[in-house]
Amino acid sequence: QKEVEQDPGPLSVPEGAIVSLNCTYSNSAFQYFMWYRQYSRKGPELLMYTYSSGNKEDGRFTAQVDKSSKYISLFIRDSQPSDSATYLCAAQNTNAGKSTFGDGTTLTVKP
Amino acid sequence: DAGVIQSPRHEVTEMGQEVTLRCKPISGHNSLFWYRQTMMRGLELLIYFNNNVPIDDSGMPEDRFSAKMPNASFSTLKIQPSEPRDSAVYFCASSGSASGANVLTFGAGSRLTVL
Repeated sequence: QKEVEQDPGPLSVPEGAIVSLNCTYSNSAFQYFMWYRQYSRKGPELLMYTYSSGNKEDGRFTAQVDKSSKYISLFIRDSQPSDSATYLCAAQNTNAGKSTFGDGTTLTVKP
Repeated sequence: DAGVIQSPRHEVTEMGQEVTLRCKPISGHNSLFWYRQTMMRGLELLIYFNNNVPIDDSGMPEDRFSAKMPNASFSTLKIQPSEPRDSAVYFCASSGSASGANVLTFGAGSRLTVL
């Protein structure tokens, strides 16, 4: 079993929809949780990260972590066609340098 | 800063040939990571360096793979001999966090096809 599991989708929504992307993890030592966005034939780029449990908002994006259930979520409000990409969740120990990634969810936002 | 620079962007080679992928991290970043991405296995960490020293190479698939970081501005990933199952996109990423979250900046990747 992988330490970070992510529903691969694909997910297709109409423009303006609210999108929910989710991951689960198994390692209780994970303290930092990241979301990366990857456009086709590009490298992943960081969207946002959170420390421990709680919410973090950045414009139309909200990251949520529930450590009690080991659940990571990314919400996208008012989705746009430019949001079409693969979204990767990642988790990291406090004192370990490496990030463990989910497999990614491919999102398509249709105009 | 130009970001993380990888070369070549595309490589097509025949089974048995040696492949060398190169990476220039962001200046000032002290950690460097090599990842491999495939449809089947997603994004897998192969090896990472901290201050030019290999810290964790448990993800290196086998002895055919080797990585070096001779100085803070250059790293190589070598596959010898290459096999068709090595076909993937190889990403280099660097990070400059001294503590807390290790946020990665990825290069554009090197797409390897082994025939």
